Amino acid sequence: RKEVEQDPGPFNVPEGATVAFNCTYSNSASQSFFWYRQDCRKEPKLLMSVYSSGNEDGRFTAQLNRASQYISLLIRDSKLSDSATYLCVVIKSGGYQKVTFGTGTKLQVIP
Amino acid sequence: DTGVSQDPRHKITKRGQNVTFRCDPISEHNRLYWYRQTLGQGPEFLTYFQNEAQLEKSRLLSDRFSAERPKGSFSTLEIQRTEQGDSAMYLCASSLRSDSSYEQYFGPGTRLTVT
Repeated sequence: RKEVEQDPGPFNVPEGATVAFNCTYSNSASQSFFWYRQDCRKEPKLLMSVYSSGNEDGRFTAQLNRASQYISLLIRDSKLSDSATYLCVVIKSGGYQKVTFGTGTKLQVIP
Repeated sequence: DTGVSQDPRHKITKRGQNVTFRCDPISEHNRLYWYRQTLGQGPEFLTYFQNEAQLEKSRLLSDRFSAERPKGSFSTLEIQRTEQGDSAMYLCASSLRSDSSYEQYFGPGTRLTVT
């Protein structure tokens, strides 16, 4: 089993739709979680951190479910500009860091 | 703009040659990371530094790869005797170690093509 797994997609959704992605992780000792956005042939850009209590930033909501070992990203009212690949990141600390990215979920918002 | 910078942005080299990439992190960031990314995959961790100390190195990193951060500021990644399988985007990221955040900020990457 991969340490961090994401559905690669693509998710094709119409403008204005709500879409959700999940990311599962295998190491229960993981402590920090993030969502990044990556446009084609560009570097990943931090979208948001994922806190135990959940985190909302405008149209984006991230949640953590430690019991089931997954994080989620919800995008409401999708815009064409949301089209990108969304990467989840799981970090285990304590001693040295172990940083693991998922393979990413591709989102295509259609007019 | 005081973000992470990388040089060169593109590098084409022949198999067997050595290449070196440079990364300049955000100035107050004490952690620096190197990743490799190939098409359709997420960034793959290679190594990271806290100040000048290299704290972790991926088992995937062969002996042909070496990284340094001599003064705790910029870092270099060298690949010796390049192979076609080394063709990838090499990404650098930096973060500020704190108790509350490990947010990493990426540079634009160096795209390596080995012919």
